[in-house]
Amino acid sequence: DAGVIQSPRHEVTEMGQEVTLRCKPISGHNSLFWYRQTMMRGLELLIYFNNNVPIDDSGMPEDRFSAKMPNASFSTLKIQPSEPRDSAVYFCASSLRGRANEQFFGPGTRLTVL
Amino acid sequence: AQSVSQHNHHVILSEAASLELGCNYSYGGTVNLFWYVQYPGQHLQLLLKYFSGDPLVKGIKGFEAEFIKSKFSFNLRKPSVQWSDTAEYFCAVTEGSWGKFQFGAGTQVVVTP
Repeated sequence: DAGVIQSPRHEVTEMGQEVTLRCKPISGHNSLFWYRQTMMRGLELLIYFNNNVPIDDSGMPEDRFSAKMPNASFSTLKIQPSEPRDSAVYFCASSLRGRANEQFFGPGTRLTVL
Repeated sequence: AQSVSQHNHHVILSEAASLELGCNYSYGGTVNLFWYVQYPGQHLQLLLKYFSGDPLVKGIKGFEAEFIKSKFSFNLRKPSVQWSDTAEYFCAVTEGSWGKFQFGAGTQVVVTP
């Protein structure tokens, strides 16, 4: 298996632009997680999907952030409009049967908002 | 609310030294416990996990962790570290099978040659 796939690996954009991050979970996994990692705040869970349904989005910073999972093999995290403080590494992870099991992380997307 | 505490934010030690990283959680019920490692510039990988059974868990790369229920702790240990163990280590806890999943703040470990 190719593991969790994220694209792009690096994104540089200007403040105010829309940013879309993509994730393909491991085939057969039914849970998907989006995390944000910064030096200041560490690793933060943004949102958690189970069977394509958002279960816990309490970590989503504000309305500028949105996430979708239209099917079991694809998810997006969108930031609109982006701000410099959104600069971070965004990780996607997937697991089999919920949060209790091991999560497999993707390589991350390093986002820089100028 | 559940919290996960990693007491050491930065640890510097020499090769061959022993390592112990502390992890405490506040939830009183059934928990699943994990240690993840993030090598420089890479994503998180699972080192070991505890769901039930023997509270002493062996993981990859010579790591082990001990679950002490009475102390709400799940400390990570390695008897003799190598330079390649330089990484950030995260403890994570889930309440039961479907409860909230939370990472600790991480401990940055630097092993000097």
